[in-house]
Amino acid sequence: QLQLLESGPGLVKPSETLSLSCTVSGGSISSSTYYWGWIRQPPGKGLEWLGSIYYSGSTYDNPSLKSRVTISVDTSKNQFSLKLSSVTAADTAVYYCARLNKNYYYGMDVWGPGTSVTVSS
Amino acid sequence: DIQMTQSPSSLSASVGDRVTITCRASQSISSYLSWYQQKPGKAPNLLIYAASILQSGVPSRFSGSGSGTDFTLTISSLQPEDFATYYCQQSYSTPYTFGQGTKLEIK
Repeated sequence: QLQLLESGPGLVKPSETLSLSCTVSGGSISSSTYYWGWIRQPPGKGLEWLGSIYYSGSTYDNPSLKSRVTISVDTSKNQFSLKLSSVTAADTAVYYCARLNKNYYYGMDVWGPGTSVTVSS
Repeated sequence: DIQMTQSPSSLSASVGDRVTITCRASQSISSYLSWYQQKPGKAPNLLIYAASILQSGVPSRFSGSGSGTDFTLTISSLQPEDFATYYCQQSYSTPYTFGQGTKLEIK
């Protein structure tokens, strides 16, 4: 069945750019039924949606991140990616990628296991 | 942004109890409401979408109801594996937003 797997550095310095990828296996990222998203969870806190992308490249992101977020898709690699610029300690979190299912009213029906990112010098 | 408010924030209950968690949206979201279960160290797991439709493979003791601004998640008879944190989430409009979570603990 379809699986997602996040990858990227576990440690990022303040003011630098956090870069993560999500590899989709067992299915195509180019399906018209799905969007693909990023969600994060700071230690001991709740969930925050960062943004989503369609295979065509159209994106939606969270204005609370003040244009620091860039989400892109590479259909040839069956991957999508997250870049978060000018990071601070407040960006320390577990970052998840997920599939948003249009048939499920955009419920997130498949998640990656998450990758922990710490922002520290 | 649409604010999602869950209550209670935490709940103690016993195996076999019936439990209800409430989620309120700051404006109408029709039925664009999902519920997730999250266990420590794990990714969230979709339980219910479209406010009341049970995701495939989820036990039938879970049910959801509501539309507009008020929603509930009910567990009819708690099992040991149900002790976890539950989140509601609206997908009516971006930015998609989650409730703050309800931690369900063993009494």
